[in-house]
This record gives sequence, C-alpha cells and structure tokens, in this order.
Amino acid sequence: GDSVTQMEGPVTLSEEAFLTINCTYTATGYPSLFWYVQYPGEGLQLLLKATKADDKGSNKGFEATYRKETTSFHLEKGSVQVSDSAVYFCALNEFTGGGNKLTFGTGTQLKVEL
Amino acid sequence: GAGVSQTPSNKVTEKGKYVELRCDPISGHTALYWYRQSLGQGPEFLIYFQGTGAADDSGLPNDRFFAVRPEGSVSTLKIQRTERGDSAVYLCASSPSGDSTDTQYFGPGTRLTVL
Repeated sequence: GDSVTQMEGPVTLSEEAFLTINCTYTATGYPSLFWYVQYPGEGLQLLLKATKADDKGSNKGFEATYRKETTSFHLEKGSVQVSDSAVYFCALNEFTGGGNKLTFGTGTQLKVEL
Repeated sequence: GAGVSQTPSNKVTEKGKYVELRCDPISGHTALYWYRQSLGQGPEFLIYFQGTGAADDSGLPNDRFFAVRPEGSVSTLKIQRTERGDSAVYLCASSPSGDSTDTQYFGPGTRLTVL
C-alpha cells in the first residue's frame, strides 16, 4: 500500500539557517503530494501541495518539488525563523478504487533558536 | 469564513463506555474525513464520506467504530465499548469535492482519553 517516509526529528536550527526536511513516498500510481504543518497548540493546516510530476509547491518561503523519478517531495526553506518552529507532515493522496484519503508520514519536529 | 469545528474538544471516559464525537465541516464541502492521531505519529485515516454515504471505511479498526453523516453535512463518529487503546486525538477534515488534488481542511480535533 501507499506509504510516506520522513526524516526523523527533532531538527534544531539557528535562525536564518537553511532547512531541508526529506520526504519519500511509495505509491502505485500518480498521487498528489502535500506538506501540512502543526504549530504548537494549533490544528493541522496545509503548507503547500503539488498535484503532478515536476510541479513546485510554495508558500511562506517554503518550497517542495514533486520528483517522480526519485519518488520524493523534500521541503526546503532558505532562511528559517523562530516562528517556523512546528511539526511538519508530508502526505500523499492517491485516489484508487473509490477511496480518497491522505497517507501521512510520522512528522518532523522543527525547533528554530535565536 | 468558518472552518471545520469539532465538539467536544476534550472527552474523558471510562473503559467500556460509549462516546460520540461530532464534526461540522466547512459549508458546501461534500467530502468529509475522519482521522486518528496518536502521540508522536501522523494522522491515520478512518473513514471518508462523499455526501451522505461512506465511500471508504477501510480505516475503521473494528466494528466498535461507526460513523454517520445523515444529511450530508454534520458527521458523528461513534465508539462503543471504549478501550484504553482508543485514546488519541480524533481529527475531522473536509474538502470541496472528492478529488485527490483537493486540499483537506482540518478541525482542531477531539482529544479522547479512556481511563
């Protein structure tokens, strides 16, 4: 079945550092790919998405490119801020046989320090 | 506009009791989903509704779990004979249609604790 693998956290960075959170997936077809973020004390919210190969999703300075050849969707940001501290979840949705569901990775906690 | 709401925000119950968790989706969204999130894990799919019907209930762990959406809007997740292993945060999400490219909008969750 479908699965998502994320790098384990916590990831601790200094403010203005470069961020990469790796995400790879397994799927039988052509899924849509998502990054969701959960800030402390808040609910899950969409950060960005890409729905076909080579698409780049971007939002709030974060970017991720859908790489079908490497089955990856790595999250990057050039300069992180303390306010980016949160848990980041990579997810995929592959509509098969009438089912429609997100399959999530285990999440990566990011801590940004001054 | 209003987002997805869930009630109650917290529910503490005793082993063996029955609980109901409610979800109010974004108005006009035809698709509704339930997920369960354990500590330190990503959400796990439980069930997906398209309109009033359950299109995919493959994630329900056993027959103690049941969900309804009788009028195609509000949904209730029902858990019978609760067990300590049912303790988790139960998340509801909705999306405009059932397309896999849709963004799913999540509610704040109901934290269920079974003593």
